[in-house]
Amino acid sequence: EADIYQTPRYLVIGTGKKITLECSQTMGHDKMYWYQQDPGMELHLIHYSYGVNSTEKGDLSSESTVSRIRTEHFPLTLESARPSHTSQYLCASSEYSPFGGSDTQYFGPGTRLTVL
Amino acid sequence: AQSVAQPEDQVNVAEGNPLTVKCTYSVSGNPYLFWYVQYPNRGLQFLLKYITGDNLVKGSYGFEAEFNKSQTSFHLKKPSALVSDSALYFCAVRPLRSGGSYIPTFGRGTSLIVHP
Repeated sequence: EADIYQTPRYLVIGTGKKITLECSQTMGHDKMYWYQQDPGMELHLIHYSYGVNSTEKGDLSSESTVSRIRTEHFPLTLESARPSHTSQYLCASSEYSPFGGSDTQYFGPGTRLTVL
Repeated sequence: AQSVAQPEDQVNVAEGNPLTVKCTYSVSGNPYLFWYVQYPNRGLQFLLKYITGDNLVKGSYGFEAEFNKSQTSFHLKKPSALVSDSALYFCAVRPLRSGGSYIPTFGRGTSLIVHP
């Protein structure tokens, strides 16, 4: 099992609420990612980070923001949730090394968000 | 730019029969190639990867994949399917060349259904 954790696993909230989805990993990986995935569908990269104080937007436009103050922690925040944000959010981490690391990604269990 | 194609949204196979899940890719230079599996309501799990060397890669749960450079393919195979193999399978690629700035690209996923 990978040492990457997401909380909460399930969240139901009302429109307009601010929420933060937590993601932590204990593997010391520099790279972390957030994906959005509707059930049984493709992954959409929404944010990623190369390391502390590094954040980048992914392929899918998102109204969320992220921060990376500590290596192990990569929270995702929605300032004002809307029904269109209803989805599953997957966090992942990886490590690249020029001496053999290959960016194998380790995924958390996901947070299923429902916005009413 | 890099891309991955999984031409089949769904693959159906009878238990005990061999299975193949197809993946083709496009990347500048040599590739790192990955297969991940996702069971319902879970995050993705790493199955296997190709970096260099033997074109036949063996992974978890009896799965293997064959790298074919001329056809730019990395098909996932298993000699004898189990009902418990039913899941969503994702292929991913990133360039082999050194540098930690590359982000893997995922295919759209293929749903494997193994019938008893």
